[in-house]
Amino acid sequence: GAVVSQHPSRVICKSGTSVKIECRSLDFQATTMFWYRQFPKQSLMLMATSNEGSKATYEQGVEKDKFLINHASLTLSTLTVTSAHPEDSSFYICSAREGGNEQFFGPGTRLTVL
Amino acid sequence: AQSVTQPDIHITVSEGASLELRCNYSYGATPYLFWYVQSPGQGLQLLLKYFSGDTLVQGIKGFEAEFKRSQSSFNLRKPSVHWSDAAEYFCAVVAGGFKTIFGAGTRLFVKA
Repeated sequence: GAVVSQHPSRVICKSGTSVKIECRSLDFQATTMFWYRQFPKQSLMLMATSNEGSKATYEQGVEKDKFLINHASLTLSTLTVTSAHPEDSSFYICSAREGGNEQFFGPGTRLTVL
Repeated sequence: AQSVTQPDIHITVSEGASLELRCNYSYGATPYLFWYVQSPGQGLQLLLKYFSGDTLVQGIKGFEAEFKRSQSSFNLRKPSVHWSDAAEYFCAVVAGGFKTIFGAGTRLFVKA
């Protein structure tokens, strides 16, 4: 089956630093990748949609200058949290779509900002 | 606007008892519906999906779900719950632009 990986699985950083999270589709080419954010005991909220080679489309209320998304290839998308603050601490999950209606989800990245 | 409602925030079921988790959706077109399970600190695992055809869908781990267009529902069922089924369950619909919209989730507790 289609596999999506995320790296790192956990990251702890100091306030004010930037953190990059990678999302890779391991055995398929992802035409579209999605980034979600999940606060404790809450549902997943879509942050942005990215298509390879084009700018990401951000959901309302998501700061595009704070959450930089790069979809440089059909198998890799990155999310960079710039100038991270404690309120950015969350579980970040990516998903990838090959071309159909189903998305394949990564295992998530736990970000803790001190 | 598209939305997914899971009316039960949490449910407690005895091991061996049957389970039904409710899901209602709001979407103008033919929906693509999914159920996912998430264990604490883990990613999502797909249980089952409905795109078209037979409205009773079989999934992994003994789960099934029934699509009822007249009720805009896609309830998840399992005839006999195991302690390992304790987790968070999310119903989801794929909307326009292939965005997945998730329900708030239902936390399942299983008591011995």
